[in-house]
Formats: sequence, C-alpha cells, structure tokens
Amino acid sequence: AQKITQTQPGMFVQEKEAVTLDCTYDTSDQSYGLFWYKQPSSGEMIFLIYQGSYDEQNATEGRYSLNFQKARKSANLVISASQLGDSAMYFCAIVEGNMLTFGGGTRLMVKP
Amino acid sequence: ETGVTQTPRHLVMGMTNKKSLKCEQHLGHNAMYWYKQSAKKPLELMFVYSLEERVENNSVPSRFSPECPNSSHLFLHLHTLQPEDSALYLCASSQDSSPSYEQYFGPGTRLTVT
Repeated sequence: AQKITQTQPGMFVQEKEAVTLDCTYDTSDQSYGLFWYKQPSSGEMIFLIYQGSYDEQNATEGRYSLNFQKARKSANLVISASQLGDSAMYFCAIVEGNMLTFGGGTRLMVKP
Repeated sequence: ETGVTQTPRHLVMGMTNKKSLKCEQHLGHNAMYWYKQSAKKPLELMFVYSLEERVENNSVPSRFSPECPNSSHLFLHLHTLQPEDSALYLCASSQDSSPSYEQYFGPGTRLTVT
C-alpha cells in the first residue's frame, strides 16, 4: 500500500471560494506527523502546515487548515478564500521515525 | 541571500559528462537533503546529511555522489547519467534531521540528460 495517497491529480476552484485537497495515509506507527507543501511553477517547495499525530486540535495557519481525521487516516488540506496565487502543486507528506514520504501531489488551478 | 539557494537552475548534460549541483543554506540549519522529482512520480528522498555526516541513502545509484563539506553547503556530483535521470533536483534544509522539523526547499535544478 502507498504511504500517502492523493487521489485528485487536478482540481479547479473559483477565486474566493474554499477548496479541500484530499490526503490519506497508511502507517502502523503511533507517533507520526503530516505535512503539506506547496510547489508553484517556479519549482521550489513551500511549507504550509504541520499536524502531529498526538495533536488534539486541527492545525491552522492563516488561510490553511488541516482536517485531521485520525481514525480514517486522512489529513485533508482546506484552503479558504482561494487566491489566484494559490494555483500550484500541493504535496502531502508523512513523517515516521526518520522517514519523510511524499504523495504524488494535486495540481490546483484557481479560476478568476 | 535568503533561505536555500541552488545552482545552476537549469542544466543540460550528455551521458558522458560530469557535472555538479550546488546547494547552499543561509538558515543555520544542521541537516540538508537531496530530493529527486520526476514527472508523474512522488518526490523521492535521495540523501540526508546531518552535521555533515550522511545519515540516509535511499538506494541511490552510484552515478549520484553527494558531498557535504560543511553544514551550509551540499553538492551532488553527477557522472555517466542516464536519460531517465532527467528530473527536478531539490535541495532542502532543516534544523536537524528529525523529520518533524519543517524542511525549507531551494528552487531546484532542472536537469536534462541527453
């Protein structure tokens, strides 16, 4: 089974609307963490948000929030009030011990 | 200089060439990483260095040879590459090699092997 699954290869969202990017993971560890990174067309990876497996509250960073459902092993990223600059690839990643594994990514396109 | 820088940004090389990718971080971090991003494949971790010592090597072919002379610099030496090695190579750094720390990425080097 894949460690990280991002089932949406591409998504469109209207500017100013909210969008949810899906991420499910597979781990037998009790302690792990989940990251979301953004990769614009320039190629660099930009850290967005982190959720630890023992964090009781969902992580939030500005317009980004993580809908963490531990029992379902999902860590969806919610972007509120989408902006044109949000158009990019988005990667979910899991850290277990010393290993960080990325998903295949979702390309988000924001329409004006 | 800010964050993590990588040079060159673009590189085209033949299969018999030898070239090096350079990464420099200005964040005072102790860990540095090389990743490979191929089209339609998840980001792959290649090497991890912590305090200039290699701590992780994810079964990368020997035609890729990393070097970490100090905690601020990381190189990836390339020789006799294959066309399938064409990819975006990303460097990252973090406070230490515990992956709980967020990683800061450079802009990447887009490598084309002809």
